[in-house]
Amino acid sequence: KAGVTQTPRYLIKTRGQQVTLSCSPISGHRSVSWYQQTPGQGLQFLFEYFSETQRNKGNFPGRFSGRQFSNSRSEMNVSTLELGDSALYLCASSLESGAPLGDEQFFGPGTRLTVL
Amino acid sequence: AQSVAQPEDQVNVAEGNPLTVKCTYSVSGNPYLFWYVQYPNRGLQFLLKYITGDNLVKGSYGFEAEFNKSQTSFHLKKPSALVSDSALYFCAVRDRVRAAGNKLTFGGGTRVLVKP
Repeated sequence: KAGVTQTPRYLIKTRGQQVTLSCSPISGHRSVSWYQQTPGQGLQFLFEYFSETQRNKGNFPGRFSGRQFSNSRSEMNVSTLELGDSALYLCASSLESGAPLGDEQFFGPGTRLTVL
Repeated sequence: AQSVAQPEDQVNVAEGNPLTVKCTYSVSGNPYLFWYVQYPNRGLQFLLKYITGDNLVKGSYGFEAEFNKSQTSFHLKKPSALVSDSALYFCAVRDRVRAAGNKLTFGGGTRVLVKP
């Protein structure tokens, strides 16, 4: 079974631009979560989508948004990029959301975004 | 608010010696507990999780973790470290409440360096 895939793997943008990142979950997984990883702030939860609905949202400005399609693939968008948005963006998939057995999440390799 | 602490930024250990990576948490209720490992330019890989039951949890690659409810700790251990265990390790918690979804709160990470 293929793992979580993220495209593109690397991206360079300039301040003020917008960017869209894509995540394809493991086949059969319906939950996709996004995380931002930076040296200063560590790993921070952005949002989770389940069955095309945003389930949870982290403490990020409205410039960060996302969506999920009927095939469970997810995209996240960052508008009006700032230098501080430079980070590794990780997505993770899981079978369900909030499952009582604490299903683990499987992470993709990430998209490294550099904002100049 | 949930918080996870990994008190050591880096742990150095000789190959063949025991490895311990510490994690304590401060959350309401009884969360699910996870350990993930990250190799350079890779996403996070799941190692193990604690849901309920036996306080000693066995996971992948010979790792295990000990849950201590009174000390709110979940330390990761490996009896005999390998050079290939050198990586960045993250402890994470997830709320058991289903409405909280799959949001993970991560510790700051501990870099493990195993020397030959």
